[in-house]
Amino acid sequence: QSVLTQPPSASGTPGQRVTISCSGSSSNIGSNYVYWYQQLPGTAPKLLIYRNNQRPSGVPDRFSGSKSGTSASLAISGLRSEDEADYYCAAWDDSLSGPVVFGGGTKLTVL
Amino acid sequence: QLQLQESGPGLVKPSETLSLTCTVSGGSISSSSYYWGWIRQPPGKGLEWIGSIYYSGSTYYNPSLKSRVTISVDTSKNQFSLKLSSVTAADTAVYYCARVAVADPSYMDVWGKGTTVTVSS
Repeated sequence: QSVLTQPPSASGTPGQRVTISCSGSSSNIGSNYVYWYQQLPGTAPKLLIYRNNQRPSGVPDRFSGSKSGTSASLAISGLRSEDEADYYCAAWDDSLSGPVVFGGGTKLTVL
Repeated sequence: QLQLQESGPGLVKPSETLSLTCTVSGGSISSSSYYWGWIRQPPGKGLEWIGSIYYSGSTYYNPSLKSRVTISVDTSKNQFSLKLSSVTAADTAVYYCARVAVADPSYMDVWGKGTTVTVSS
């Protein structure tokens, strides 16, 4: 059971906008930054979003992050087939669950 | 370009100690801006953070694994290592090493390719 809760799956068609949610608590998302990682099949995770809504260099602006209270979201616009991957949220946790906690991951399928 | 490479046995017997090393190339492990971390992923499951270490030897661990985990650093070899004792089948996973920002402990921007460890007799 992951500390951060994500839907196990999401899907969309090319060109569509999809969002993936991440729910936590006051000890993690509610008081710390949220990070998002993309894991393409058979590869290591890649940092996609940091500090709630910042993109590392090289990450397309089709990817955006937001946070409100104890929840966060990752949005992907102009969906492409190469976006099909697993997406994980992460945050620092101030309680005994931490320090770093991940969501269970969301498998994004591009139909 | 900074690269990380995990190495170690792919098969460990139950109750024994899992030992892995991460070699850092293209940069110094003694950077003041980064910790160095271990993350694992059981087959078909999500990511689990194990722990991180600073070049000075300062560490922090996942509370659920703390009693069995030791992370150490060898700055002369530009390496850091993971030891996980008393392993069971539940410790079977792909183990990743990663660079972690000091200012942002959830910021892991460079990852190794991962190494698969199976716990089985």
